[in-house]
Amino acid sequence: DTEVTQTPKHLVMGMTNKKSLKCEQHMGHRAMYWYKQKAKKPPELMFVYSYEKLSINESVPSRFSPECPNSSLLNLHLHALQPEDSALYLCASSQPPGWDRANTEAFFGQGTRLTVV
Amino acid sequence: QKEVEQNSGPLSVPEGAIASLNCTYSDRGSQSFFWYRQYSGKSPELIMFIYSNGDKEDGRFTAQLNKASQYVSLLIRDSQPSDSATYLCAVNIPSGAGSYQLTFGKGTKLSVIP
Repeated sequence: DTEVTQTPKHLVMGMTNKKSLKCEQHMGHRAMYWYKQKAKKPPELMFVYSYEKLSINESVPSRFSPECPNSSLLNLHLHALQPEDSALYLCASSQPPGWDRANTEAFFGQGTRLTVV
Repeated sequence: QKEVEQNSGPLSVPEGAIASLNCTYSDRGSQSFFWYRQYSGKSPELIMFIYSNGDKEDGRFTAQLNKASQYVSLLIRDSQPSDSATYLCAVNIPSGAGSYQLTFGKGTKLSVIP
């Protein structure tokens, strides 16, 4: 099973709302990622959790707050977003790079299409 | 600067031809190299990964890695219209303290003409 499941698939939220994106994997991976992708651009890394600890935060504004409750789940809490935050938000998982040179393939969920109005 | 470079294309090839996609990376400490295919509006799909110098073949796809030249490529044989997509090169680049960061190139848009 190489599936990463993200919910919801689509989300429209106002600038004063609070919402959460959810991601789940059951591949036994110990690294999970949030990426943001704008149209016609490559995915941009936001956060990396390795062994349930935040290992990389790519200077993301505090209106995005990640959470990793356990090794299978990853959340992204959203608050007071701006229209320019509208994008496709991708979750991915892999074995932590560096743990083993091989077997570090990252698999992506289908993404959440977020629109901020 | 940690970078992964790709030609953005578009790359157009006729159906049945070989499509050649190229990628270079700047950090010699990089390990693990991946090719993802992304259709418009969809998430990236892993199609090939390579860890060692040389060629790796999987069906119509061949990944080639040359660490001395810091170069990784993807060949698609017998290209089909369904191969038309954006191909993203991704590299695990060292980010300090034993961590690595999966970094993407900007992607090459491939069009296979029937």
